[in-house]
Amino acid sequence: GAVVSQHPSWVICKSGTSVKIECRSLDFQATTMFWYRQFPKQSLMLMATSNEGSKATYEQGVEKDKFLINHASLTLSTLTVTSAHPEDSSFYICSRLGGVVNEQFFGPGTRLTVL
Amino acid sequence: AQSVTQLGSHVSVSEGALVLLRCNYSSSVPPYLFWYVQYPNQGLQLLLKYTSAATLVKGINGFEAEFKKSETSFHLTKPSAHMRDAAEYFCAVTSNFGNEKLTFGTGTRLTIIP
Repeated sequence: GAVVSQHPSWVICKSGTSVKIECRSLDFQATTMFWYRQFPKQSLMLMATSNEGSKATYEQGVEKDKFLINHASLTLSTLTVTSAHPEDSSFYICSRLGGVVNEQFFGPGTRLTVL
Repeated sequence: AQSVTQLGSHVSVSEGALVLLRCNYSSSVPPYLFWYVQYPNQGLQLLLKYTSAATLVKGINGFEAEFKKSETSFHLTKPSAHMRDAAEYFCAVTSNFGNEKLTFGTGTRLTIIP
């Protein structure tokens, strides 16, 4: 069964509002989780590495003040898209480590549409 | 640095025909390699993985892949395509050192012709 869940699975919001996406590790305490963004018909782009109890590590070009990541517990990481704009519309996927070294298990994704 | 190249962004095969999706990698250290499948509006599901054990790796849904170091390849195959195989496939590379990221290829969309 699924080992990573995401909520919501889809969300529609107005431009300028903030949206929070939750990522839960269902079977394992995850000190490290990852957030990806995927545009239509494209590959996954790593946005940031979420570290439990410390600040997230953002990839180059990702605005940390716009994409707020909180990893307050060993089973939950959240991504908040602040002041969302239409260009933030995308498919957001989270993952956690597991299995062999550096292997990742992925959540089902969240489709964000900003009007 | 590591990278993955997937040749062919779109592949179409007839139902029952051989599926071959190509993946070539670049890595300065021994790689770990993965194939993931993504169905529309879903996350990624692991098909199979190479972690320096057997070079021929068998995965779910009848897929397999062979690690060829001399060719820096990890092509995905399935002897007989089924309609349910239609999806996006991603090859990814990492290393056996801790705290390394997954680097994804650009993906290959597989279409099955009835």
